Amino acid sequence: DGGITQSPKYLFRKEGQNVTLSCEQNLNHDAMYWYRQDPGQGLRLIYYSQIVNDFQKGDIAEGYSVSREKKESFPLTVTSAQKNPTAFYLCASSIPLAGVGDTQYFGPGTRLTVL
Amino acid sequence: GDSVTQMEGPVTLSEEAFLTINCTYTATGYPSLFWYVQYPGEGLQLLLKATKADDKGSNKGFEATYRKETTSFHLEKGSVQVSDSAVYFCALPNQAGTALIFGKGTTLSVSS
Repeated sequence: DGGITQSPKYLFRKEGQNVTLSCEQNLNHDAMYWYRQDPGQGLRLIYYSQIVNDFQKGDIAEGYSVSREKKESFPLTVTSAQKNPTAFYLCASSIPLAGVGDTQYFGPGTRLTVL
Repeated sequence: GDSVTQMEGPVTLSEEAFLTINCTYTATGYPSLFWYVQYPGEGLQLLLKATKADDKGSNKGFEATYRKETTSFHLEKGSVQVSDSAVYFCALPNQAGTALIFGKGTTLSVSS
C-alpha cells in the first residue's frame, strides 16, 4: 500500500539536543511538507519542498532545518535554537498543481516532547 | 492574505443529530477548498473537496458546497455517529499554490 510513514511515533529529548524526525513516502509525489500542530492553533507550515534538492521556508521555519536528497524522503531536524519544540509534527506530500493546489496526504505524525 | 476561519468548538452532539461546522475563507480568485478530518492521535485525512464555485463535495455522509457569494464552505452531516468524533479542518491553497492554509480546527464530540 502506498502512503507516508513517520517515525518514531513518540520522541523524547532533553533540552538543547538536536533531533531528526523521519518522513518517507512511496506515493511518487514531488512535493512534501512539514507542519507543526499545537492545541487550538491548527497546523502551521514549517518547510516545504516542491522538488528534490530544493526546499522553501514556511511560516515558522526558525529553529528547524530540512533536506531533500531523495524524492521519497524529507527529514526534519529540530535544533536547539527552536524555543518551544514540544508539539505534534505532521509530514505530508502531494502532486503539486501550481496556482490551484492539490490534495495533501498526511503521515500519522510524531509527537515530540522536550524534557 | 488568504485565510480560513472556522467556528470554534468544541461541538458536542448526540448520536443522529444534524451537524454543521462553519467555514469562511478569504482568497484571491476561486481556489479549491478542502475539509480534512483528524481522529485522535492520528494524522489528517482528506474528507472531501470542491474545486470550483457551486461544486458540492461529499464523502461518508458529509457534504460541503462551495459558495462564492458568501465565501463559505460549511460542512454538514444529516445524522452523526459516535465514530465521527474527531477534529475537522477547513483548508485552501495559498496564493502561490505551494501549500495549504488550514483553519484552527473544530473538535466534534458525539455521544450515544
